[in-house]
This record gives sequence, C-alpha cells and structure tokens, in this order.
Amino acid sequence: AQSVTQLDSQVPVFEEAPVELRCNYSSSVSVYLFWYVQYPNQGLQLLLKYLSGSTLVKGINGFEAEFNKSQTSFHLRKPSVHISDTAEYFCAVRDSNYQLIWGAGTKLIIKP
Amino acid sequence: EAQVTQNPRYLITVTGKKLTVTCSQNMNHEYMSWYRQDPGLGLRQIYYSMNVEVTDKGDVPEGYKVSRKEKRNFPLILESPSPNQTSLYFCASSPGAVGTEAFFGQGTRLTVV
Repeated sequence: AQSVTQLDSQVPVFEEAPVELRCNYSSSVSVYLFWYVQYPNQGLQLLLKYLSGSTLVKGINGFEAEFNKSQTSFHLRKPSVHISDTAEYFCAVRDSNYQLIWGAGTKLIIKP
Repeated sequence: EAQVTQNPRYLITVTGKKLTVTCSQNMNHEYMSWYRQDPGLGLRQIYYSMNVEVTDKGDVPEGYKVSRKEKRNFPLILESPSPNQTSLYFCASSPGAVGTEAFFGQGTRLTVV
C-alpha cells in the first residue's frame, strides 16, 4: 500500500530565510503528488501538484517542489519565507485506487 | 464561486445525541470524501463516494454514516457521538480524473462532551 512520510513535524525558520519541507512516498509505478497548505483555522488549499513532465513544479505563493523518482521524494521549497507562510503543510499522493494518501503534516514556524 | 460548503463550522454536543454535518459542492464533482484531522495524525479518511448512491469505507469509518442521494451533497452522520469523535472534520470533492486535486471545505470543529 502507498504511504507518505513527512520527515519533520515542525520546521522553525527565520523570516526571509530559505526553507525545505521534506516528503517521501513509497514506490509506485506512477504517482500523482500534491502539496497542500492549511492556514490557521482554515481548510486545505492546493499549493502545487506533479502529474508528469518537468520534475520541477512551481506553485502559488513562491513555492516549488521537485519530484525525484529515484529517491521517491517530493520536497517543497521556498527561497525566502514570510511571516504569512506560517501554516501547516501536507504532502499527499493519489494512489491507483484514486485515494489520496496523506502525510502527517509539517508545521512551518516563522521566527521574526 | 466554486466551493465546498460545510455546516456547521463549530458544534458542541453531548454523548449519544445524533448529529449531521452537511457538505455541499457546486462543481459537479463525482468524488466526495470525509476526513478527520487530529494533531500528529494528519488527515484520515472516514468515508468516500465515487458517485451518487456509491459510498465506501475509508480508514476510520467506525461510528460514522454517510449517504449520497444527490451528486452535490454528502452528509456525515454520527448516530451516537462519543468523546473520541471530537475532532476537526473536512469534506472534500474532486472530479473523476485520477490526476486532479481535491477541493476542501472550511472544516467543522466538533466537540463531544
């Protein structure tokens, strides 16, 4: 069965510093990968997705992610974070049965 | 505006008192699902529906019921709520194609005392 691992439950980072949130998934023939963001007291919204093609995917709010098939990873990055990026970030993969498999989430904490 | 609407946003109830959380989407999506979110556990799927009158259990279905009589609505029913069902609940919908993302409601914070 497919599984998703987000390696860090919390990532503290200073404002304007770069950040990487890590996500690994179990191997599959083909995968559809997603990153969602959840701001405090809100629902989840899509940041970006990988379906096929270029391994570097750009999303909203300056985020990007790189699909690495050999390492089965889909890490999320931003070159310079802002206080407004404070949120919880979820990685997900859609499996062959159409189900979304979720990671446990990573809380991004921005330090002023 | 395309959206998934859940009601209520907040609910406090007592053990054993039946309740329904409604979910409606206006995007003509075939697929709908319910999740619960608990600290440190991420999102766990309760039930899902691939289309009208087609529902199936997710990872944590015990204590919940759903129905899908119309394409746009997918209510979550707790026949006899218990304190361990205190959680944040999300409804989501998506089109039928496999590469598409899910659209989420704003969430319902349920407290069972």
